Amino acid sequence: AQTVTQSQPEMSVQEAETVTLSCTYDTSESDYYLFWYKQPPSRQMILVIRQEAYKQQNATENRFSVNFQKAAKSFSLKISDSQLGDAAMYFCAYRSPPDDKIIFGKGTRLHILP
Amino acid sequence: EAQVTQNPRYLITVTGKKLTVTCSQNMNHEYMSWYRQDPGLGLRQIYYSMNVEVTDKGDVPEGYKVSRKEKRNFPLILESPSPNQTSLYFCASSLSTSGLYEQYFGPGTRLTVT
Repeated sequence: AQTVTQSQPEMSVQEAETVTLSCTYDTSESDYYLFWYKQPPSRQMILVIRQEAYKQQNATENRFSVNFQKAAKSFSLKISDSQLGDAAMYFCAYRSPPDDKIIFGKGTRLHILP
Repeated sequence: EAQVTQNPRYLITVTGKKLTVTCSQNMNHEYMSWYRQDPGLGLRQIYYSMNVEVTDKGDVPEGYKVSRKEKRNFPLILESPSPNQTSLYFCASSLSTSGLYEQYFGPGTRLTVT
């Protein structure tokens, strides 16, 4: 069965610094998608970034980028120039075509220190 | 405005009293899904639907029912709620089953079963 592991329940970073959130997953599939979602205190789930497993190039969205290591089954999120508005819970998620189940990690709560 | 709506947003009920949480999307999406979010456990998929009259179990379907009679609606039914179903529930939808398409989440329903 597929699993998604976020090993850091909480992290803190100084404003304007860079932080990396880790995510590992386990799957026997070769075709799948990986996501990072942000959940601010409003509880709304917001898609931050998406990576297709067949693409070798790491996805980037403004200050957010990923380090996708397919062989190692690792999918970390790097946030550059951290801002107070980045404070939130971040979830890593996996989606695979065969059964279309979507599996989330347990989340990492990110604190931004002014 | 493209959105996923859920009702009610907050609900306190008693053990055994049947309830329905409605979910509706106005984007003509094929794929719809229900999740529950619990502290320390992340989001777990309850049920999902790839199209009208097609539903499948997620990871935690026990105690829940769903139906997809119309494309836009995907209600979650708790026939006999129990305290362990106290949770934050999210409905989500996407254009299709492919991970290329973003999942849009509803605002969440906070359910308390006493």
